[in-house]
Amino acid sequence: AQSVTQLGSHVSVSEGALVLLRCNYSSSVPPYLFWYVQYPNQGLQLLLKYTSAATLVKGINGFEAEFKKSETSFHLTKPSAHMSDAAEYFCAVSDFGNEKLTFGTGTRLTIIP
Amino acid sequence: IAGITQAPTSQILAAGRRMTLRCTQDMRHNAMYWYRQDLGLGLRLIHYSNTAGTTGKGEVPDGYSVSRANTDDFPLTLASAVPSQTSVYFCASSDSSGGMDEQFFGPGTRLTVL
Repeated sequence: AQSVTQLGSHVSVSEGALVLLRCNYSSSVPPYLFWYVQYPNQGLQLLLKYTSAATLVKGINGFEAEFKKSETSFHLTKPSAHMSDAAEYFCAVSDFGNEKLTFGTGTRLTIIP
Repeated sequence: IAGITQAPTSQILAAGRRMTLRCTQDMRHNAMYWYRQDLGLGLRLIHYSNTAGTTGKGEVPDGYSVSRANTDDFPLTLASAVPSQTSVYFCASSDSSGGMDEQFFGPGTRLTVL
């Protein structure tokens, strides 16, 4: 069964600094990987996804993630944090032909002015 | 309507009462899902439906039931609510159930069971 581990339930960065949110996955077959963002009192929305094409995936709002099979990782980065990036971020995994999406426990990102 | 709507927005419910959370999508998506979100646990799948007329159990199905009579609606029912079902519930949909498609989420229902 697939699973994801998000390291760090809370991450704080200064405005303008690099954002790095970590995600490691466990899957018996090549996975599909997703990052979703949840703003306060809202549902989740897709930031980006990896579906076995390019290993470096670019998403919305300047975020990107790199699929590294050797490290079983799919870390999310953004070069320069904005105040509007404050939210909770979820990594998720699914397998080909599997309708079930498994989420990590989330990382709350705080931006320090 | 654009996307997914959920009702009610929030609800306080006495233990033992029956409750149905409503979910409607207008995107003609085949697959629909119900998740619960709890602090420190992320989102966990309760039930899903690959297409109208079919449903399946997710990770935490006990105490919940669903139906999928048509493409647009996917209600979640708590037959006899218990305090451990206090949570935020999200409905989602996707174009297919092959695993690679984006899931679109509703705004959520905050349920408190006393």
